[in-house]
Amino acid sequence: DAKTTQPNSMESNEEEPVHLPCNHSTISGTDYIHWYRQLPSQGPEYVIHGLTSNVNNRMASLAIAEDRKSSTLILHRATLRDAAVYYCILRSYSGGGADGLTFGKGTHLIIQP
Amino acid sequence: NAGVTQTPKFRVLKTGQSMTLLCAQDMNHEYMYWYRQDPGMGLRLIHYSVGEGTTAKGEVPDGYNVSRLKKQNFLLGLESAAPSQTSVYFCASSPGPGRGETQYFGPGTRLLVL
Repeated sequence: DAKTTQPNSMESNEEEPVHLPCNHSTISGTDYIHWYRQLPSQGPEYVIHGLTSNVNNRMASLAIAEDRKSSTLILHRATLRDAAVYYCILRSYSGGGADGLTFGKGTHLIIQP
Repeated sequence: NAGVTQTPKFRVLKTGQSMTLLCAQDMNHEYMYWYRQDPGMGLRLIHYSVGEGTTAKGEVPDGYNVSRLKKQNFLLGLESAAPSQTSVYFCASSPGPGRGETQYFGPGTRLLVL
């Protein structure tokens, strides 16, 4: 899987939008962009994923650059419960998708009340 | 529907002791995974399984063995524990081919090897 680059940490205020960036300049055509987050002392949980088009779900939105070399996870209205480490992961489905996820260090999101 | 559960939640071992970590899922998933997470780091894949009776090595398999005798269970064994295996161990499962690739993680097992 290709490499991703994320800021080590970001800080935001409660009830404000949060934009978490991810660079993936070596992304290939078969790579999906996945986001997981890990709340303190818990296992990771899936947030969202996409290929080319922007995606929305109940947790967040994913904005993908036209050249796919970067993406942004958007939390529309952060709460204290959104404080977590957010991982941007590229996932190629060309191999059947059985192999594991490759986690980097992620972005530690701090939410101020 | 409990999702992915892990047993035990916490364990202390002495160097050289053995133990088995149990992962169970009730979602009828085909794929299962074992990861380890060291402080301040992301997760690293130890072993994985694409179905009952099959296993494969991940990024950091040395010192571990696994078995998947039943579809719902995936066991991780440490035959002779070393301090370097002190970590948090996470199990995950995913539906399988054509059914989505989202991985569902358990709560983790914290292992301390003295």
